[in-house]
Amino acid sequence: GAVVSQHPSRVICKSGTSVKIECRSLDFQATTMFWYRQFPKQSLMLMATSNEGSKATYEQGVEKDKFLINHASLTLSTLTVTSAHPEDSSFYICSARDRRIQETQYFGPGTRLLVL
Amino acid sequence: SQQGEEDPQALSIQEGENATMNCSYKTSINNLQWYRQNSGRGLVHLILIRSNEREKHSGRLRVTLDTSKKSSSLLITASRAADTASYFCATDEVKTSYDKVIFGPGTSLSVIP
Repeated sequence: GAVVSQHPSRVICKSGTSVKIECRSLDFQATTMFWYRQFPKQSLMLMATSNEGSKATYEQGVEKDKFLINHASLTLSTLTVTSAHPEDSSFYICSARDRRIQETQYFGPGTRLLVL
Repeated sequence: SQQGEEDPQALSIQEGENATMNCSYKTSINNLQWYRQNSGRGLVHLILIRSNEREKHSGRLRVTLDTSKKSSSLLITASRAADTASYFCATDEVKTSYDKVIFGPGTSLSVIP
């Protein structure tokens, strides 16, 4: 099946630094990528929808200047958590929609961020 | 944002019993999907049911969809200890201006050996 990778899988950083998370579709082209955040024992919360070549659409309550999303190619989207704080510590998961099979999306394995 | 409710929030059953989880949503959808997540791990796609389908089977899984009630159910038959996980429904909302796939709050299933 289609594979979506995320890098890094785990990151620990100091408060105030910025962290970039990459999401790649390895064997298909993704017109749309989604970014989710998941706190412990909670569900996935959609943060933003990213379309290749255009600006991301952010969900209500998600600060676009805080969570910068770039979807520069059909196989890569990045999420940058700027000036990270301990409350940004979470599990970040991306998913990608195959442009050929629009109803299917494939999830990455997630990135665990810990901000000290 | 989240679509709606899943119930129960937590379910504990004996191995061999059936487990039923329900999901409700609020908007019109293209399809609904069920996922499984083991603690601290990524998501595993279980099954997709389209808005024009009413029931779907995959192995020990049975999913129903009632678009008039905006609800779906996932039945796991003859449960095993290895089925212990969190289960989420996710709805692919009818596209307005952009794609949107929203997850329900999930059901935590414990299968006791």
